[in-house]
Amino acid sequence: AQTVTQSQPEMSVQEAETVTLSCTYDTSENNYYLFWYKQPPSRQMILVIRQEAYKQQNATENRFSVNFQKAAKSFSLKISDSQLGDTAMYFCALRNTGNQFYFGTGTSLTVIP
Amino acid sequence: GAGVSQSPSNKVTEKGKDVELRCDPISGHTALYWYRQSLGQGLEFLIYFQGNSAPDKSGLPSDRFSAERTGGSVSTLTIQRTQQEDSAVYLCASSLTASGGGNTDTQYFGPGTRLTVL
Repeated sequence: AQTVTQSQPEMSVQEAETVTLSCTYDTSENNYYLFWYKQPPSRQMILVIRQEAYKQQNATENRFSVNFQKAAKSFSLKISDSQLGDTAMYFCALRNTGNQFYFGTGTSLTVIP
Repeated sequence: GAGVSQSPSNKVTEKGKDVELRCDPISGHTALYWYRQSLGQGLEFLIYFQGNSAPDKSGLPSDRFSAERTGGSVSTLTIQRTQQEDSAVYLCASSLTASGGGNTDTQYFGPGTRLTVL
């Protein structure tokens, strides 16, 4: 069985500052994919960043980067230079080899002007 | 439209009634996913289609739930004899492929259908 845990229900950050969202997971598989999704108040979910488990290099997408620690089963998201538009729910997710997705319960991030 | 669309956007029904939720994926996307998002919860994976086939239906909560996809395009999620615990937002997503490199498995989500069972 796979599980994804996000232990921070709510977080806030000052505009232009950096914030890190935590995610841990559990899986017995060796090949899997990890994702961070963003769900703004408008409800439409969008992909922020993805990481293949077989790649050691941490994925980056502009202001978003991850710290992937495979042995520790940790997959945190760092948002640099936070902007007001980053205010949203952030979900960590794992996709297993059977193409099933497992999502965490989310972290509500508020960027304070 | 270029994105995933879902209809209806909101559905209010009485307990015991059947409901049908529709998802129109992005044209050309072979994989389609259904999720359920309850208030304050994460997404619960229900089922995915590769083409018209659903390789694994074990995520469906009960035998009252069923889904089908025809022509490799539109999918419908049917809930029979709805119960109050079925109230949630039902999200659909599609991707070019179910698995693969080069971000072809990136899921694009629809706006969801908010189901309320009275």
